[in-house]
Amino acid sequence: EVQLVESGGGLVQPGGSLRLSCSASGFTFSFYAMHWVRQVPGKGLEHVSTISSNGGNTYYADSVKGRFTISRDNLKNTLYLHMSSLRAEDTAVYYCVKGSIAGAGGYFDYWGQGTLVTVSS
Amino acid sequence: ETVMTQSPATLSVSPGERATLSCRASQSVSSNLAWYQQKPGQTPRLLIYGASTRATGIPAKFSGSGSGTEFTLTISSLQSEDFAVYYCQQYYSWPEAFGQGTKVEIK
Repeated sequence: EVQLVESGGGLVQPGGSLRLSCSASGFTFSFYAMHWVRQVPGKGLEHVSTISSNGGNTYYADSVKGRFTISRDNLKNTLYLHMSSLRAEDTAVYYCVKGSIAGAGGYFDYWGQGTLVTVSS
Repeated sequence: ETVMTQSPATLSVSPGERATLSCRASQSVSSNLAWYQQKPGQTPRLLIYGASTRATGIPAKFSGSGSGTEFTLTISSLQSEDFAVYYCQQYYSWPEAFGQGTKVEIK
């Protein structure tokens, strides 16, 4: 059974930093691209970032480019999102999502439960 | 960047009736289109990929069609567990954008 478990969310002040982690199990982590998708409570889904299976290619939404960094450790089966210079508009539930293929361009077949990030003073 | 537009924003349907949801892409995405269901307080779930292929465990009451820029999700004989928000997503090009969602509510 595929499991994706996020951690690291919480309350952070504007301008602060936070690192999200996603522990994956139930599939061969190193074979698949991974994604972060966020959702402001009560609103729609925003695709934030993608990393290819070997970590060699990364992609960022314009809204987070230069502030967020996606990475992965294929030995630890863990995905990360390092967020810096956080703004109030980054407040959202962040989902760790498994892609259907090794690179970008696949659909999202499994989702974690999400971790809430709140940016507020 | 491809923009996905869903209509209507809200669809009121009586139990047992059929619901038809639309999704339009600002440029062709071929058949690289997925549909997701999100129930209140739950995580999104993949329903359809490749515009018309049901994901594992998804019942036949959910069907998808279309290609290029126009897509449709049809849910036959709605039951209480089907009332939710449905999102389309293109995965033809990055960013793999979502539509804004269609809320299917009980009439």
